[in-house]
Amino acid sequence: EADIYQTPRYLVIGTGKKITLECSQTMGHDKMYWYQQDPGMELHLIHYSYGVNSTEKGDLSSESTVSRIRTEHFPLTLESARPSHTSQYLCASSDGRNEQFFGPGTRLTVL
Amino acid sequence: SQKIEQNSEALNIQEGKTATLTCNYTNYSPAYLQWYRQDPGRGPVFLLLIRENEKEKRKERLKVTFDTTLKQSLFHITASQPADSATYLCALDLGGANNLFFGTGTRLTVIP
Repeated sequence: EADIYQTPRYLVIGTGKKITLECSQTMGHDKMYWYQQDPGMELHLIHYSYGVNSTEKGDLSSESTVSRIRTEHFPLTLESARPSHTSQYLCASSDGRNEQFFGPGTRLTVL
Repeated sequence: SQKIEQNSEALNIQEGKTATLTCNYTNYSPAYLQWYRQDPGRGPVFLLLIRENEKEKRKERLKVTFDTTLKQSLFHITASQPADSATYLCALDLGGANNLFFGTGTRLTVIP
């Protein structure tokens, strides 16, 4: 079983609030990813990182930001949440040999 | 435009039969193609990877084929069981950056 954790699992928050979604992995993987998935829709890559101090935007534009100060930690931040940010956010990591390990996801609802 | 299509949103089959799921893509040249399983409310779990120069890959009751000419992958589950009920996602890996592009998935239900 993959050792990748996401907190919180569920979050309901009001418009305008700042939120941080946490993602941690204990596998020592250099590559980490954030995906956004709406119900019944495909996963879209919003951010990725190849290692400490490396962050890139994915193919889906997102108002969120990420940081990678430690190998094991890849938090995602929304400065001012809006209802359009309501979605499931999935974090993943990889050792570069193709397979990605996913966390359980955070289901975000912005009222 | 680039597109990844998986056959029908939902597929129902009888227990014991073989389930066949398809993944078609356009305007991509993937180096690898991966299949994942996703259960409700959980993250995807990796099942199989097939390389562009491989025609077929097997793992226990799972078999994947990859036809780069047709731009299609087939995913088979033999002797299906109710526990195989889940959404199955195909993902294209263009190589290099190891960034994956996912299809919308096929929800498989195996009826006892």
